[in-house]
Amino acid sequence: GEDVEQSLFLSVREGDSSVINCTYTDSSSTYLYWYKQEPGAGLQLLTYIFSNMDMKQDQRLTVLLNKKDKHLSLRIADTQTGDSAIYFCAAWKIKAAGNKLTFGGGTRVLVKP
Amino acid sequence: TAGITQAPTSQILAAGRSMTLRCTQDMRHNAMYWYRQDLGLGLRLIHYSNTAGTTGKGEVPDGYSVSRANTDDFPLTLASAVPSQTSVYFCASSETGWTAGANVLTFGAGSRLTVL
Repeated sequence: GEDVEQSLFLSVREGDSSVINCTYTDSSSTYLYWYKQEPGAGLQLLTYIFSNMDMKQDQRLTVLLNKKDKHLSLRIADTQTGDSAIYFCAAWKIKAAGNKLTFGGGTRVLVKP
Repeated sequence: TAGITQAPTSQILAAGRSMTLRCTQDMRHNAMYWYRQDLGLGLRLIHYSNTAGTTGKGEVPDGYSVSRANTDDFPLTLASAVPSQTSVYFCASSETGWTAGANVLTFGAGSRLTVL
C-alpha cells in the first residue's frame, strides 16, 4: 500500500523560507497535495501538483516534485507567523478497486518572531 | 458560508455507550468521507461514500458505521465506544470520488471525542 511520510516538526524564523519535505512510496500516485491545518480547525487545501509536473508556484508557495525519488516538497517564502500550522502531504491514486487518498502524519511548523 | 458542518464540536463519552457524529454539507458534493486524526498518524480513512445510497470501508472501519440516505448528510455512528476511539474526527467531501483528475477535499472543523 501507499505510505506517505513527513518529518514531525520544523522551526523557522519569521521572514526566512520554510521547506517541508514528504516522501511517498507509490510511484503511480497521480496527484500530490499539500493541506494546512490551523489550531482547532479542519484541513484546508493549499496547493496540489499533477504527477507529470516538476514544479508549481503559487505566490509564496513553491511545490517541487521529484518523481524518481518519490519526494515532494513545499517551500514557503518569507514565512509569517500566520504560517504556523500543521502541514499535511497527501497522495491520490487511481485504482480499479477504488481510488485512494493517503495522508502523511503531518509536519508541525512553528514560526518564531 | 458554504461548507461542512460537524456536530458536536466536542464530546466526552463513557465506554460502552453509543454515539453519532453528525456531518452535513451544502455544496452538493457527491463524495463524503470520515477520517480520524491521531497524533503522529495523520488522517486515516474510516468510511466513505461516493454517492448517496452507497458506502465503503476505509483503512480503519472496525467499530464504526455510516449511512448516506441523501446527498447532504453522512453520520458516523460508534455502536459501543471504546477508549481507543478517542480521537478527533473529521468529515470531508469532494465533488466526486471517482475522478481521474485532482480530488480536492473540503473538511469540516472536526469533532473531538474522548471515550473514558
